[in-house]
Order: sequence, then C-alpha cells, then structure tokens
Amino acid sequence: DTAVSQTPKYLVTQMGNDKSIKCEQNLGHDTMYWYKQDSKKFLKIMFSYNNKELIINETVPNRFSPKSPDKAHLNLHINSLELGDSAVYFCASSRATTNEKLFFGSGTQLSVL
Amino acid sequence: SQKIEQNSEALNIQEGKTATLTCNYTNYSPAYLQWYRQDPGRGPVFLLLIRENEKEKRKERLKVTFDTTLKQSLFHITASQPADSATYLCALPRMDSSYKLIFGSGTRLLVRP
Repeated sequence: DTAVSQTPKYLVTQMGNDKSIKCEQNLGHDTMYWYKQDSKKFLKIMFSYNNKELIINETVPNRFSPKSPDKAHLNLHINSLELGDSAVYFCASSRATTNEKLFFGSGTQLSVL
Repeated sequence: SQKIEQNSEALNIQEGKTATLTCNYTNYSPAYLQWYRQDPGRGPVFLLLIRENEKEKRKERLKVTFDTTLKQSLFHITASQPADSATYLCALPRMDSSYKLIFGSGTRLLVRP
C-alpha cells in the first residue's frame, strides 16, 4: 500500500484554468504538507495542516487554496493558473508538527501552457 | 538570511567506494538535520535524522555526521552500489520557524558499476 498517494501524476493545462491535486495518507499521521519543487530542485513549503487545521500558510498567492476534509486528506486547488505555477507539487505527512521524518508522495508535475 | 549549500555538481564514483556528500549551512544552529534521497520522478524518501547533541549516526551502510562548529553535515555511503545513484537532499528547521523545513537543492550521486 502506498503511504502517501497523490493524484494526478501529471497535469497539463492552459493558463487561466482551475485545477485540483488530491492527496491521501494511510499512515495515521496528524500533519500534512504541500511542497513545491521548482526547476532548480529546491523544495519549498507552501502549506501545513495539523488535524485539519491550517498551521502554516507560507507566502503563497491566494489563488492556491488547500482543503483538508479530514486528517488523512489534503487537497490543493489552484485558480487562474499562470505559467509560473509550472512545477512539481509534493504532498507529505509526518507524525507531528515537528517536521521530523516526512513521508512524501510521488509528486504531481504541473505544466501550464 | 539562512542558507543551505550542497554541491550542485554530481558526484561520480566507482562501485564499492565510499561516497561523501556535504551539507553546509549558515547563520543558524539547528536542533537537528535530516537527509533524504530522491529518485527521478519520485518524492524524497527520509533516510536519517541527526540531532545537535549527536556527533554521528549510522544506519546500515549510511553514516551521517553533524559538526555544529563547522556548521556542516557529512553524509557517507560505504560500499556504494549503482542502486545508490540518486539525488540526496539535506534539510533542517528554518530559523524563523521550527515548524518549517528548509531543503538544500541536493547533490546527485552516480555510482558506476
């Protein structure tokens, strides 16, 4: 069983569209994250939720809206997609908010044309 | 500002040799440091965490050191194998918030058979 699974794996879309990425973890972890990996391979935190509550909202355009229906799921909705949003988005989870030992999903490659 | 530096050039070694990767950081004394492995098209996988009061940590063929005076961590893979070829990322808690991790851009390791 995949511990952290996210869908879709690839997302190709036009500028201005709205898209969502879904993430689920079956590890029983309390904390989930969205990270963005840019073309230079730096991983940067976007959001973090602990037990469905938002605890980190990094400086991210408000076109990005995370939603956590329960502690096992964290989805990312992106409105009005821009060229600069093209990147790989990773979902991750950890047992607590301490950021120790993160489990990552396999990533969603978003390409905005 | 806080920085993490990893050698951006790939490390190319012969199978059986020891690979040594470096992670340098500035302007901060983190409570711990983590190492992750990332394969192409996959999410990072946690390998080891070392705390500030630990000089060295081992896991099978992996060894991590943490020199808080030099502000450096070394990651060693002994008896390297082609299957060890991947990008290795170091990460530590951010200076402005321990709830956030800062990742290095990673060093790519290539192990030749």
